[in-house]
Amino acid sequence: ETGVTQSPTHLIKTRGQQVTLRCSSQSGHNTVSWYQQALGQGPQFIFQYYREEENGRGNFPPRFSGLQFPNYSSELNVNALELDDSALYLCASSRGTGYTGELFFGEGSRLTVL
Amino acid sequence: KQEVTQIPAALSVPEGENLVLNCSFTDSAIYNLQWFRQDPGKGLTSLLLIQSSQREQTSGRLNASLDKSSGRSTLYIAASQPGDSATYLCAVRRTGANSKLTFGKGITLSVRP
Repeated sequence: ETGVTQSPTHLIKTRGQQVTLRCSSQSGHNTVSWYQQALGQGPQFIFQYYREEENGRGNFPPRFSGLQFPNYSSELNVNALELDDSALYLCASSRGTGYTGELFFGEGSRLTVL
Repeated sequence: KQEVTQIPAALSVPEGENLVLNCSFTDSAIYNLQWFRQDPGKGLTSLLLIQSSQREQTSGRLNASLDKSSGRSTLYIAASQPGDSATYLCAVRRTGANSKLTFGKGITLSVRP
C-alpha cells in the first residue's frame, strides 16, 4: 500500500511569488486535507477536499487555494507569498468524508520565503 | 474554540523508563483524538486513534487513554528506548460538520542511552 507522497520536499521562493505543492493520497483514500506547520508549532488546518470539492476551510486568506483531481491527488497553491508563509506544509489523506477516520500524513514540503 | 495543550514542551528521560505524556483540551465535545509522532523535519506518523466512545487504545509499547469529561488524554510509553526520541503531538476532532483536527504544540522527548 502506497502512503501519502508530497512534492517537492524543499523549495525556496521570494516574496510575491506563487507556489504549487502537490500531494498523492494513500491508496483507497478519497479525502485530502492540508496543514501548515510553523517552526515549533502544531499544524494548522488550511482546507480539505472530498470528491474534488472543498468541504472545510481554516482561518487562511483566499490566496491559499487548492484543487483535488479525479484520482484524489491534490494541489495547494499559494499566491503573493509572504515571509510568514515559510513553514512545513503537510498533506493528509483519509477515507470517507474525512471527518471520521484516521488521518495519514505525508513527509511534507518545506517552503522558505525570502 | 477548541484549544489543545501539551505540557511540558520538552522531556528528557533515561532509557528504560516508563513515561506518560499528557494532552488536555478545552471542549469535551470531540469525535476522536489522535496521537502522532514527528521526527525532526519530517511528517507526522499516526500512533493511535481513540474514538470518543473508547477509553483507551494500545499498540505495542504504547497505550493511549481518553477521559472526555475531564478533557484529558495520556500517552503511555513503556520501557522507553533512544529510538523513541521525537516530538509527540495530540490532535482532537470536534463533533459537528466540517470539523478539522486541532493540534497541540507537541512534547519533544529525548531518551538518553
